[in-house]
Amino acid sequence: AQSVSQHNHHVILSEAASLELGCNYSYGGTVNLFWYVQYPGQHLQLLLKYFSGDPLVKGIKGFEAEFIKSKFSFNLRKPSVQWSDTAEYFCAVMGNTGFQKQVFGTGTRLLVSP
Amino acid sequence: DARVTQTPRHKVTEMGQEVTMRCQPILGHNTVFWYRQTMMQGLELLAYFRNRAPLDDSGMPKDRFSAEMPDATLATLKIQPSEPRDSAVYFCASGPPGQKIYGYTFGSGTRLTVV
Repeated sequence: AQSVSQHNHHVILSEAASLELGCNYSYGGTVNLFWYVQYPGQHLQLLLKYFSGDPLVKGIKGFEAEFIKSKFSFNLRKPSVQWSDTAEYFCAVMGNTGFQKQVFGTGTRLLVSP
Repeated sequence: DARVTQTPRHKVTEMGQEVTMRCQPILGHNTVFWYRQTMMQGLELLAYFRNRAPLDDSGMPKDRFSAEMPDATLATLKIQPSEPRDSAVYFCASGPPGQKIYGYTFGSGTRLTVV
């Protein structure tokens, strides 16, 4: 069965700082990987996804993530955060064979101070 | 923009009352998921359906929770009787046949408060 670990539960940054949120997964086969964002009081929205090809994936709002297969990681990055990036970020993994459900990490709360 | 519609957005009820939450998935999506989100437990998968058939409801307390899809345009999550510990935000999400590529689309959630 798949599992996802997000080691940083809370991250506090100043505006313009660089961001990297860790995501490690456990699964024995080929995976699809996702990052979702949940702004305060809102629902989860898909930020970016990886299913094949270039391991460096670019998403909306300047976010990107890199799939490193050897490390079972899919870290989320942004070179310069803004106050509006304050949100909770969820990593999710889905096996690529047959029908599988997405398994979500516990989330990382990001607070960006102006 | 296609969206997943959840009703009601907010629900306050007394302990012991029945609560029904509804979800209208995006037209053409064939998988539907119910999640519960709390501060303590984070995002928990309660149940999910594929082509209206329940695939897994192991995350759901069976004695009081039930999930159904009476048709392709409606999924329901029912709690009877409700308890204060059920207070949470309940999200519905739907996915297309190519969900591995496209991911899920989440609804805006139902914020349930049981007093």
